[in-house]
Amino acid sequence: QKEVEQNSGPLSVPEGAIASLNCTYSDRVSQSFFWYRQYSGKSPELIMSIYSNGDKEDGRFTAQLNKASQYVSLLIRDSQPSDSATYLCAVNGMYSGGGADGLTFGKGTHLIIQP
Amino acid sequence: GAVVSQHPSRVICKSGTSVKIECRSLDFQATTMFWYRQFPKQSLMLMATSNEGSKATYEQGVEKDKFLINHASLTLSTLTVTSAHPEDSSFYICSARDSPGDRGFHEQYFGPGTRLTVT
Repeated sequence: QKEVEQNSGPLSVPEGAIASLNCTYSDRVSQSFFWYRQYSGKSPELIMSIYSNGDKEDGRFTAQLNKASQYVSLLIRDSQPSDSATYLCAVNGMYSGGGADGLTFGKGTHLIIQP
Repeated sequence: GAVVSQHPSRVICKSGTSVKIECRSLDFQATTMFWYRQFPKQSLMLMATSNEGSKATYEQGVEKDKFLINHASLTLSTLTVTSAHPEDSSFYICSARDSPGDRGFHEQYFGPGTRLTVT
């Protein structure tokens, strides 16, 4: 079964520090990778997308992709209390049925930024 | 940009009744929309892919006769839960896929979700 794995946490990080979130995926042919932020009771919000190996930076967020290791990560610099949420790693194209473009989600990492 | 709305945000219905949930892309056209379901403490699971002008494709284990999907226009997809039962109580979230543009890949933007409670 094709899977996306994340450490469920909670991951506790002091305010102002760097939060590092990790994700591994099982399908080697996956092409598109996403990080979503989800607050309790709300729907996911797209934070970052990454499609090629290496780093991609957007403001305080950096996504890293290593296809050889089937590994995606998200770094949050200068962490703020408002960053406290569940972060979902999602991979495209892992469904074998009709939803080939649907996203397969990990269970999420609960991040807590301590003031 | 890339705003997706859902209606209603919350619905309570009695067992055996049907509920319709609407998903709209407000500022872009979406030939493809997706319906996900999230149970408490679980991650999102894809239920079906909705394609404008054609039949939806359902994931394994999702009953197409129970979860009716209609994608009537480039900005609207509806999910109807027929003969709802308490085990259908969940958080239903739609997403709309944008055009790849210069990026070369699609991104999905999620609606705010509909919390369904079946009593």
